[in-house]
Amino acid sequence: SQQGEEDPQALSIQEGENATMNCSYKTSINNLQWYRQNSGRGLVHLILIRSNEREKHSGRLRVTLDTSKKSSSLLITASRAADTASYFCATVSGNTPLVFGKGTRLSVIA
Amino acid sequence: GAVVSQHPSRVICKSGTSVKIECRSLDFQATTMFWYRQFPKQSLMLMATSNEGSKATYEQGVEKDKFLINHASLTLSTLTVTSAHPEDSSFYICSARDGGGRPGEQFFGPGTRLTVL
Repeated sequence: SQQGEEDPQALSIQEGENATMNCSYKTSINNLQWYRQNSGRGLVHLILIRSNEREKHSGRLRVTLDTSKKSSSLLITASRAADTASYFCATVSGNTPLVFGKGTRLSVIA
Repeated sequence: GAVVSQHPSRVICKSGTSVKIECRSLDFQATTMFWYRQFPKQSLMLMATSNEGSKATYEQGVEKDKFLINHASLTLSTLTVTSAHPEDSSFYICSARDGGGRPGEQFFGPGTRLTVL
């Protein structure tokens, strides 16, 4: 079953702008992960944030987690054309497999 | 470390034939493997979970007789799409958990694109 819901479904921005994607989920989680997928390709793991963490950074990526609202956001700063891809959040609850959200298709226009 | 491979990366077959996809963990023992399916412009949907040496657990709506999963060793799981039809055309991605020490983490293969004519 699908748990995460991302919004927006699609986002188009100019190179250099920041991109923010949001993810909401329904049940309690152990951690939440963000993945990137270029068109027709496999998944690239971006970042994992645990349920007891509120914010995490990795390079130009910033992830926040609000467990009270069951939501997370992924911010990509100073976006580049190469950031064009689909971004998915995925949650882990207990020992269950990763459950993916619907994804956000990001287009960065040079 | 934690590399998962899939073979083949791309397959085209005629309707009615069976296709086998292999998923291997190259540098760790995968006690649990997962198979996902992704239709164009959609997200990954979990099809089944397989534990080494036991029968796979299928998600609701996934036909176990059509999608045969074998997890005979700690490094290999196979998904066989039997009597494939055009509606089975999809991107199939396997994922594995390291039973040896990274609990909860899943490592993904690069995917197999199946096209059924």
